[in-house]
Amino acid sequence: DAKTTQPPSMDCAEGRAANLPCNHSTISGNEYVYWYRQIHSQGPQYIIHGLKNNETNEMASLIITEDRKSSTLILPHATLRDTAVYYCIVRGNNAGNMLTFGGGTRLMVKP
Amino acid sequence: EAGVAQSPRYKIIEKRQSVAFWCNPISGHATLYWYQQILGQGPKLLIQFQNNGVVDDSQLPKDRFSAERLKGVDSTLKIQPAKLEDSAVYLCASSYTGTGGTQYFGPGTRLTVL
Repeated sequence: DAKTTQPPSMDCAEGRAANLPCNHSTISGNEYVYWYRQIHSQGPQYIIHGLKNNETNEMASLIITEDRKSSTLILPHATLRDTAVYYCIVRGNNAGNMLTFGGGTRLMVKP
Repeated sequence: EAGVAQSPRYKIIEKRQSVAFWCNPISGHATLYWYQQILGQGPKLLIQFQNNGVVDDSQLPKDRFSAERLKGVDSTLKIQPAKLEDSAVYLCASSYTGTGGTQYFGPGTRLTVL
């Protein structure tokens, strides 16, 4: 079972920041927070992951609360091509730890 | 670098027929995964290989699904016989550092069973 809770859908205006929340209140100390997205008719695409500290890469920023019970994925300047389903996943980094996808958040970027 | 390759991209068959999907992972990736994604749902792991050995196949319906990765590189997933409820997208993914590594997905094969 997925260990995360995400809103089923969100809208964002093109050029604005998209902030996608995720609750993971039962996360364990050795579990990472991963974000993937899936654009229509494509396979899931890795975005970013983190353990405790905030992370940033060329695609997005990941903000994890101090208690690690929730996180926010930030797309700083959303474009129409960012319209996709965004999945927040918690998993360990040891052998046997798999990705368990929930329903995700369907982000619609509007002009 | 080249991504995960899958073929075919689309397949339509009738129920009770058999079908096979092929996956070639990213070069050097030891771990390979097959997922099933039913319309409107997130992907569900079917089987996970480390090199040519099975790590986890607990979610694979073994009465009709089989998978192999004989040389530890490319892999095939077979369904025999297919049922209507097998209509889905079948995704292959691979990772470098074993099952703890970031997974990279292929484009998937969309299967329609009539």
